[in-house]
Amino acid sequence: DAKTTQPTSMDCAEGRAANLPCNHSTISGNEYVYWYRQIHSQGPQYIIHGLKNNETNEMASLIITEDRKSSTLILPHATLRDTAVYYCIVRFAGGTSYGKLTFGQGTILTVHP
Amino acid sequence: DAGVTQSPTHLIKTRGQHVTLRCSPISGHKSVSWYQQVLGQGPQFIFQYYEKEERGRGNFPDRFSARQFPNYSSELNVNALLLGDSALYLCASRKKGAQETQYFGPGTRLLVL
Repeated sequence: DAKTTQPTSMDCAEGRAANLPCNHSTISGNEYVYWYRQIHSQGPQYIIHGLKNNETNEMASLIITEDRKSSTLILPHATLRDTAVYYCIVRFAGGTSYGKLTFGQGTILTVHP
Repeated sequence: DAGVTQSPTHLIKTRGQHVTLRCSPISGHKSVSWYQQVLGQGPQFIFQYYEKEERGRGNFPDRFSARQFPNYSSELNVNALLLGDSALYLCASRKKGAQETQYFGPGTRLLVL
C-alpha cells in the first residue's frame, strides 16, 4: 500500500471548516483513499473514502486532486466533538491484502471554542 | 444495528500468561481483522479472517494466533505475554467484498504487568 504523509497537528475554531491535507504521491490506479478518525481511547471511526472523484457524505467531504497524489478531508462546520486523530490511508482493494489497513501517525485535530 | 462488539473492555495480565480476546462482527459481515495499537501510535494489522480462514497476517510473532467461528465471531489469542504486548486490541469487520469498508469495535485495553 502507498505511504501517506499528514501534518502532525492542526487547530480549528469551532464552527469553521477544518481542512485536513494528505499527501500520497506514490498512489497507484487501483488504490483508494480512506479517512478514519479516532477519538481518545475509542476504536477508529470510518469517515469517507474515494478513488478519483470527490465524495461527500453526512460527515465530511473528500477532495482528491486530478493527479491523485494528494487529497483533503473537509469537515464543513467543526465542533468540539470533532477533536480527534485523523488518519489518511491508501488501500489496495484487491488481492490478499484487501483486509489490511496501514495506519500512519495521523493528524491530531484540535477544535477550539 | 449493533456495531462491532469486543470483550472484555479491559484486562490486566502478568508476564508469561495467556490471554483470549473476543470479537463479534456487525450482522452480515463475514470478515474480521485484528489490530494492535500501542500508546501513541496508529493501529498495526495483525490478522484478517474470512469464512473461518486466515487471509492475511501482519508482522507479529507466532505467540499471536486467531480463529473465526461459524457465526463469524473471532478470538485473538496471545501466549507468553510480554510487557510490550500492552496495547489496545482492535477488531474490525466488513462484508465479504474487497471494496467493502472496515468498521472498528471499541477495542480491548490489555495491560501486562
